[in-house]
Amino acid sequence: RKEVEQDPGPFNVPEGATVAFNCTYSNSASQSFFWYRQDCRKEPKLLMSVYSSGNEDGRFTAQLNRASQYISLLIRDSKLSDSATYLCVVEKTYKYIFGTGTRLKVLA
Amino acid sequence: EAGVTQFPSHSVIEKGQTVTLRCDPISGHDNLYWYRRVMGKEIKFLLHFVKESKQDESGMPNNRFLAERTGGTYSTLKVQPAELEDSGVYFCASSQGPRGGDTQYFGPGTRLTVL
Repeated sequence: RKEVEQDPGPFNVPEGATVAFNCTYSNSASQSFFWYRQDCRKEPKLLMSVYSSGNEDGRFTAQLNRASQYISLLIRDSKLSDSATYLCVVEKTYKYIFGTGTRLKVLA
Repeated sequence: EAGVTQFPSHSVIEKGQTVTLRCDPISGHDNLYWYRRVMGKEIKFLLHFVKESKQDESGMPNNRFLAERTGGTYSTLKVQPAELEDSGVYFCASSQGPRGGDTQYFGPGTRLTVL
């Protein structure tokens, strides 16, 4: 079983739609949590950190549930430019553990 | 501020040859990491330097891989001799530290193809 599990998608959604991604992790000792975005053949870039209290950055909302070992990302009012792979990342003792990523394609 | 840079961007070599990848972290970042993505798989951790010291090399696949970080600045990752299964994208990342939860900033990667 992978340490970080994500639905690989693809998620094909129309512009303006709301889309949610989920991620589960197996190691309860994990310390920090992130969503990274990766465009095709590019490097991962930080989208946002994830906290138990939930955090929002514009159209993006992330949530962590430590008890269920579950992380979510909600994207509202999807834009064409949101098309990318979204990587769920769990950090333990400096080491990043990645999920396989969820592909999102926003359609015009 | 310059980001993490990696050289070369692409490398195509034959099985049995040697390749050296280079990473220049963001200036002032003590932590430097190497990761690798092989086709169809998730990005996986290789190792972590704090300044010039190897903090964690638990992800290094075998002794054909050697990483160094001379003087705590740039790092090199040498693969000798290369095998077919070493093909993939090698990412370098850096973070300021000292906290483990600090954001890691990734370089553009080196795409290695072993024929």
